[in-house]
Amino acid sequence: GNSVTQMEGPVTLSEEAFLTINCTYTATGYPSLFWYVQYPGEGLQLLLKATKADDKGSNKGFEATYRKETTSFHLEKGSVQVSDSAVYFCALGTQGGSEKLVFGKGTKLTVNP
Amino acid sequence: EAGVTQFPSHSVIEKGQTVTLRCDPISGHDNLYWYRRVMGKEIKFLLHFVKESKQDESGMPNNRFLAERTGGTYSTLKVQPAELEDSGVYFCASSQVTIYGYTFGSGTRLTVV
Repeated sequence: GNSVTQMEGPVTLSEEAFLTINCTYTATGYPSLFWYVQYPGEGLQLLLKATKADDKGSNKGFEATYRKETTSFHLEKGSVQVSDSAVYFCALGTQGGSEKLVFGKGTKLTVNP
Repeated sequence: EAGVTQFPSHSVIEKGQTVTLRCDPISGHDNLYWYRRVMGKEIKFLLHFVKESKQDESGMPNNRFLAERTGGTYSTLKVQPAELEDSGVYFCASSQVTIYGYTFGSGTRLTVV
C-alpha cells in the first residue's frame, strides 16, 4: 500500500542554519506529494506541493523536488528562522476515489536564536 | 473567507463516556475529511464526505466511531464509548473540488482518562 517515511525528530538548529528533512514514499501509480506544517497551537497548513516527477514545490524559502527515481521529496531551506519552528509533515495524495492523504509521522523542528 | 472550524479545541473525558466532535467546513466546500493523529504516530485518514454522503469510510477504526454530516454542512464525529486508545488529535479538512484545495482546521485534542 501507500506509505510515507520521514526522518525522525526532533531537529534542533541555530538560526540561519541549513535545513533538510528527508521524506521517501511508496505508492502505486503517480501520487501528488505535499509538505504540511503545523505551527504551535494552529492547524495543518499546506507548505508546498508537487504533482509530477521533477516538479519543484517552493514557498516561504522552503523547497522540495519530486524525485521519482529515488521516490523522495526532501524538504530544504537555506537559512532557517526562529519562526520556522513547527512540526513538518510529508504526505502523498492518491488520485481517484476519496483523494485521501497519507502522512508521515512528522518532524518537529526547533530553531534557536 | 472563514476557515475550517473545529470544537471543542480540547476535551478530557473518562473511559466509557461519549464525546462528540464538531467540524464546520468552509462554506460551499462539498468535500469534508476527518483525520486523527494518535500520539507519536502518523496522521491517519478516517473518512471522507461528499456533501452528506460518505464517499470513503475505510479509515474508521471500529463501530464505536460514528460520523454524520446532515444537510451537507457541518459534520460531527461521535465516539461512544470512548477508550484510552482513542486519545489523540482529530483534524477536519474541507475542499471544494480537488485534493489541492485541502484546508485543515486546528484540530480537537481528545484525552481519554
